[in-house]
Amino acid sequence: DTEVTQTPKHLVMGMTNKKSLKCEQHMGHRAMYWYKQKAKKPPELMFVYSYEKLSINESVPSRFSPECPNSSLLNLHLHALQPEDSALYLCASSQDLGAAGSPDTQYFGPGTRLTVL
Amino acid sequence: AQKVTQAQTEISVVEKEDVTLDCVYETRDTTYYLFWYKQPPSGELVFLIRRNSFDEQNEISGRYSWNFQKSTSSFNFTITASQVVDSAVYFCALTGPHNSGGSNYKLTFGKGTLLTVNP
Repeated sequence: DTEVTQTPKHLVMGMTNKKSLKCEQHMGHRAMYWYKQKAKKPPELMFVYSYEKLSINESVPSRFSPECPNSSLLNLHLHALQPEDSALYLCASSQDLGAAGSPDTQYFGPGTRLTVL
Repeated sequence: AQKVTQAQTEISVVEKEDVTLDCVYETRDTTYYLFWYKQPPSGELVFLIRRNSFDEQNEISGRYSWNFQKSTSSFNFTITASQVVDSAVYFCALTGPHNSGGSNYKLTFGKGTLLTVNP
């Protein structure tokens, strides 16, 4: 069973709506990630948080706004999305970003399937 | 730049057949890390294995086995006696060491192989 949970499982929203995706991990990890995955494609990294601070933004449009309220929670706030933003949004966590040359394995949640109408 | 190639887009087998999923990678790093993830229709990516470039020992875990060959830059995955529950998309991924100019958090994924196991 995954120890990374995501809510909601499915979300349908209009282009003028504001919604949020939530992710929680219970493994004591200090790094958390948001990925976007389009159908029949691999996941694409969006954001990385380390120790509750944003470390990486992979040039994601500002209509996606991440937030890390504490070390076990990660939110993704959505506003004014476009139909092309419809995708599976995956959250992941790892012990850390990796130290001494060795990466920490990322563990993924079940994802939120987002449809933008 | 790093690259992962999974040449098999889709594979279909009958239950109990053995199946091998191919993964070929490219990297300039001398230290690197390889991963396999499974993504069933439910969507979650399930971590299967991680291997570093210094460890060329093959690994077996139940019906799963992995063959890592640096000489051919391949990290192939074999499922023995496949089952319907093995039906999923399988991703091979690569990352480098912390001192590679970036950070080793970033996974370079292959495009995935859709495995369908028919009863």
